[in-house]
Amino acid sequence: GESVGLHLPTLSVQEGDNSIINCAYSNSASDYFIWYKQESGKGPQFIIDIRSNMDKRQGQRVTVLLNKTVKHLSLQIAATQPGDSAVYFCAENGSGNTPLVFGKGTRLSVIA
Amino acid sequence: DSGVTQTPKHLITATGQRVTLRCSPRSGDLSVYWYQQSLDQGLQFLIHYYNGEERAKGNILERFSAQQFPDLHSELNLSSLELGDSALYFCASSVGWGHDAGELFFGEGSRLTVL
Repeated sequence: GESVGLHLPTLSVQEGDNSIINCAYSNSASDYFIWYKQESGKGPQFIIDIRSNMDKRQGQRVTVLLNKTVKHLSLQIAATQPGDSAVYFCAENGSGNTPLVFGKGTRLSVIA
Repeated sequence: DSGVTQTPKHLITATGQRVTLRCSPRSGDLSVYWYQQSLDQGLQFLIHYYNGEERAKGNILERFSAQQFPDLHSELNLSSLELGDSALYFCASSVGWGHDAGELFFGEGSRLTVL
């Protein structure tokens, strides 16, 4: 079933191309950021995280970039595959007792 | 498999009714979080418990309540249900809480449909 609705920004990429998904975060006190992937009918899954003392972190086929000056986070997926089709959420840890705060999400659609 | 278990996976009920959603966190995690995901919204934080105590409250309606039991499982109770309560309800768990909670591990969700 559908995990999220009709009003998400959508990014369509050709299979094999690189994808870049952007996120603006709101709280300058946030010092931990996570990207989650949510496939249709499933719960969000951890992809990669980054702490504010870094500006780049690489995983397998994924890279997260953090620009604290403009409060911007991006997720780069190399050689995008059909299995990468999903909704991607960024999340920040905010301040105090606030749990992770999630962005609205971006739907990635991979064209074979 | 995240290790977080939610039941039921699907639930269909009528307006005015009451339902209970259940969550078992990952082994060793003391924090449980409830999130609501509707068609036109992202993940909306509802409530957070740590080791049996409420730690943070989000946009949770007064008709909704939750608790975390001594064995750390949690239940989310939704009462006087309205059509707009139809959504996916996710439970997540983490070892810690607050600013330093780290990664949240999500269950597969409970899809509630109110007719």
